Amino acid sequence: KAGVTQTPRYLIKTRGQQVTLSCSPISGHRSVSWYQQTPGQGLQFLFEYFSETQRNKGNFPGRFSGRQFSNSRSEMNVSTLELGDSALYLCASSLGTAELSEAFFGQGTRLTVV
Amino acid sequence: AQSVSQHNHHVILSEAASLELGCNYSYGGTVNLFWYVQYPGQHLQLLLKYFSGDPLVKGIKGFEAEFIKSKFSFNLRKPSVQWSDTAEYFCATYGNKLVFGAGTILRVKS
Repeated sequence: KAGVTQTPRYLIKTRGQQVTLSCSPISGHRSVSWYQQTPGQGLQFLFEYFSETQRNKGNFPGRFSGRQFSNSRSEMNVSTLELGDSALYLCASSLGTAELSEAFFGQGTRLTVV
Repeated sequence: AQSVSQHNHHVILSEAASLELGCNYSYGGTVNLFWYVQYPGQHLQLLLKYFSGDPLVKGIKGFEAEFIKSKFSFNLRKPSVQWSDTAEYFCATYGNKLVFGAGTILRVKS
């Protein structure tokens, strides 16, 4: 079966711009989570969506937002980009809520803010 | 809040050496523990998971982990590593969100 697909794979943006990243989960998966991966901070949880509802949110500023559509696809948006937002953004999908289901990860979107 | 800590950030081993990567967790509720691996240029993959039952969990590619409740530990082991095991390994736990450790970069010399 097809894995988790994230688009685009690479992105270069300028400070102050906004960006939207997309995640298509594995077919049938209803939970989508987003993570930010940086060399200094490691993997940090952004948010989790289940059936179009945000279940949890990590400790990120309000510039980071997300949503999930009825087909379980998810988008995350970052407004007013800062240099420190440069990171690999990972999306993971799971069949149910993530505590009892294996999370399958996409290859990520590499965002560079200049 | 739940957390995991990994003892080593970088480990270098020769092929055929035994591997043990340390992971300690902190959470007062239900225990859900995972080890994920990220091979160079690839996505994160689940190696193994523990929810309950037999504390010795076997995963893919010959990896295993032992849950020791009294030590709050969930160490990853492999009796004999191969060059292809070169990767970054993450311990994780789920309380109300998936929380990862800082990761251990393993380099296996051929």
